[in-house]
Amino acid sequence: DAGVIQSPRHEVTEMGQEVTLRCKPISGHNSLFWYRQTMMRGLELLIYFNNNVPIDDSGMPEDRFSAKMPNASFSTLKIQPSEPRDSAVYFCASSLERALQFFGPGTRLTVL
Amino acid sequence: KNQVEQSPQSLIILEGKNCTLQCNYTVSPFSNLRWYKQDTGRGPVSLTIMTFSENTKSNGRYTATLDADTKQSSLHITASQLSDSASYICVVSKTSYDKVIFGPGTSLSVIP
Repeated sequence: DAGVIQSPRHEVTEMGQEVTLRCKPISGHNSLFWYRQTMMRGLELLIYFNNNVPIDDSGMPEDRFSAKMPNASFSTLKIQPSEPRDSAVYFCASSLERALQFFGPGTRLTVL
Repeated sequence: KNQVEQSPQSLIILEGKNCTLQCNYTVSPFSNLRWYKQDTGRGPVSLTIMTFSENTKSNGRYTATLDADTKQSSLHITASQLSDSASYICVVSKTSYDKVIFGPGTSLSVIP
């Protein structure tokens, strides 16, 4: 198994542009998590899906952020419009029920 | 307030020595506690996961303990190796659906 796959690995964009981050969870896992990590705030859970349904999106910072999971093998995190303070590493993780979460390599986002 | 605290913030040890990292939490209700290792520039990797009924769990040279009464956990690393240099993050799950609260991490440096 290739593990959790995220793309792109690096993204540099200008303020105001739309950014879409992609995640492919481990096959067979039914839970998917989006996290954000910064030096100042550490790791933060943004949203959690179970069986493709958003369960808890209380960590999503504001309406500029949206996440979808159209099927069991794909999820997106979209930021529109992006702002410099969104610069961070965004991780996707998946798990089977309440088992250990497996993290992807992350997407390093820089908003200029 | 649900919080996870870790100590020390950073630690430098000589290769081959043992060390213990601490995690205190005030999260309630408690579901499980996990220790993650995060290498620089990579996603976190799960080391151990413990429910409230488990006191200790080992993963190779890593041994985690949990005292659910005092709400404390420790991660003991035996015979440290240079590759153990990383950030170690304590994560506490509050609910059955894995709403998680991250500690700030302990940065460990193992030097020859």
